[in-house]
Amino acid sequence: DVKVTQSSRYLVKRTGEKVFLECVQDMDHENMFWYRQDPGLGLRLIYFSYDVKMKEKGDIPEGYSVSREKKERFSLILESASTNQTSMYLCASTTPWAYEQYFGPGTRLTVT
Amino acid sequence: AQKVTQAQTEISVVEKEDVTLDCVYETRDTTYYLFWYKQPPSGELVFLIRRNSFDEQNEISGRYSWNFQKSTSSFNFTITASQVVDSAVYFCALSEARSGGSNYKLTFGKGTLLTVNP
Repeated sequence: DVKVTQSSRYLVKRTGEKVFLECVQDMDHENMFWYRQDPGLGLRLIYFSYDVKMKEKGDIPEGYSVSREKKERFSLILESASTNQTSMYLCASTTPWAYEQYFGPGTRLTVT
Repeated sequence: AQKVTQAQTEISVVEKEDVTLDCVYETRDTTYYLFWYKQPPSGELVFLIRRNSFDEQNEISGRYSWNFQKSTSSFNFTITASQVVDSAVYFCALSEARSGGSNYKLTFGKGTLLTVNP
């Protein structure tokens, strides 16, 4: 079974802090994704990566950056957390030919 | 631009009722993929089904069935004889297929919260 893990299930940070959310997958997948999920808005793509050190902006990249130094790990960085970044963050991975994405359990981030 | 519409925000049924979740999509691509995911209260999205744009055959898997109609741009999901464990948020999603590329982005609908009451 594909396993996608995220570093924390719940996280509370203060406004202005630098926040790292980590995602690790164990299936040697090339593609990895970060989404945020908000009530009434569904899932929106923040960034994705199709190879080590490669990244592409999604639909809502403002206020976020990403890092992919190793194939199995994809980090989402909030350079200076703000209250409007309080959300559920979901990581996903897939292979180029599988199309369906496999999701981690999510990190519920609260910025106070 | 791609778009997925799930018009039903919430549905509540009594156990053993049949329920259909609607999904309507928009895309300019001729080759695309449609998906349904389930998100139980635990939060993790679970992949249910994938359909490509060339395959309009309906699919049945146990109590679940899917009806894909290109003519109406719809990909509806029916649960037969619903159970309490079916209570979850269900998402419909659309992916464009880029030739030779490996960056398949999913566009999600806003989800339908299904509550199955005992």
